[in-house]
Amino acid sequence: DADVTQTPRNRITKTGKRIMLECSQTKGHDRMYWYRQDPGLGLQLIYYSFDVKDINKGEISDGYSVSRQAQAKFSLSLESAIPNQTALYFCATSGERGEQYFGPGTRLTVT
Amino acid sequence: QKEVEQDPGPLSVPEGAIVSLNCTYSNSAFQYFMWYRQYSRKGPELLMYTYSSGNKEDGRFTAQVDKSSKYISLFIRDSQPSDSATYLCAMSVSGGYQKVTFGTGTKLQVIP
Repeated sequence: DADVTQTPRNRITKTGKRIMLECSQTKGHDRMYWYRQDPGLGLQLIYYSFDVKDINKGEISDGYSVSRQAQAKFSLSLESAIPNQTALYFCATSGERGEQYFGPGTRLTVT
Repeated sequence: QKEVEQDPGPLSVPEGAIVSLNCTYSNSAFQYFMWYRQYSRKGPELLMYTYSSGNKEDGRFTAQVDKSSKYISLFIRDSQPSDSATYLCAMSVSGGYQKVTFGTGTKLQVIP
């Protein structure tokens, strides 16, 4: 089984809808992250969490919120989706050296 | 100017060739350097992790860091069609959690 899992893998939604992307990990890491990836822009950090009580904004947090339900679970929400949030979203965890382990991604399309 | 620059490619090589993938960076404080491989529709997978300058080898892969030139490279020997993917460089100022800055990736195609 994969160490970092994401659900759903694909989602098409309409402008204005609320969407939640879920992430679970079995690596036992405290640190978890949400990134979005756009062609030509690389990976951009949305939010990160050092532990259940510590959540921090990344570079592009506007329009997003997160919830760390447990050490192993970190969810990303789009409260009111807009078309420019169409992207590939990745959850990741990191070990002690800072190396990152990514989930398989969620392809989100907002129409 | 981006902190990390990476040629997007695509780079096409014949099977068996030596591949050289490169990144340049502007922040001289970067000390930890990583290479990730990303297959189409998959998440990035950590390939190499190095600290400071020097070389690190793992099988057919060699990572090289030249901090004086702010330049890092990933060499792939005896390239295989299965190496066809996008390769992302990444770097951070220190280990643990610090912000990791990613390159935009170079798409590699190894032709049988």
